[in-house]
Amino acid sequence: DGGITQSPKYLFRKEGQNVTLSCEQNLNHDAMYWYRQDPGQGLRLIYYSQIVNDFQKGDIAEGYSVSREKKESFPLTVTSAQKNPTAFYLCASTRGAGANVLTFGAGSRLTVL
Amino acid sequence: GESVGLHLPTLSVQEGDNSIINCAYSNSASDYFIWYKQESGKGPQFIIDIRSNMDKRQGQRVTVLLNKTVKHLSLQIAATQPGDSAVYFCAEIPVNNNDMRFGAGTRLTVKP
Repeated sequence: DGGITQSPKYLFRKEGQNVTLSCEQNLNHDAMYWYRQDPGQGLRLIYYSQIVNDFQKGDIAEGYSVSREKKESFPLTVTSAQKNPTAFYLCASTRGAGANVLTFGAGSRLTVL
Repeated sequence: GESVGLHLPTLSVQEGDNSIINCAYSNSASDYFIWYKQESGKGPQFIIDIRSNMDKRQGQRVTVLLNKTVKHLSLQIAATQPGDSAVYFCAEIPVNNNDMRFGAGTRLTVKP
């Protein structure tokens, strides 16, 4: 079955550490996205990529970094510069620009200890 | 409906009743709207969508109504079942723009 796989599902981090969240899709989608979800708030866009080797900042990119070396993969690194990293992180993809229905992964919950 | 802050609006219904979940959107230029369902600890799933040239669209047990005059969207679930318990949120997409915006959501609880 095609879909998006995020790992790990749960991750604990000490303050000052960088962590990388994995996102892999086998849907042959061109565009991939990272969202952050906090209680009581709508999803907020961190980064997105519409094509391999290219990505754009979203609304809350500070303290995060991404790469898009392969079409299938869009890992997110939460750096120590992110002051409030505890959240639920969702990866999503679409066929391409203008294809608006997002397919989401199951999410990764990051907790900073 | 929409919420800003730490607490989601909640809706509790009896199994078999109909549910109505509301969403107020902000951008009058929004052209396309989507409802997502998110179960606890999982990613959101597409339920139904509607374009701004329509005011109603029906799916299996779900209906979306769009009132552009007051910028209001609603999701109706018929004969609500325990498996419908989840957070439901709307998304709006402006014309010629990939800037999708999400509502905070409403938590639906179905009592057996």
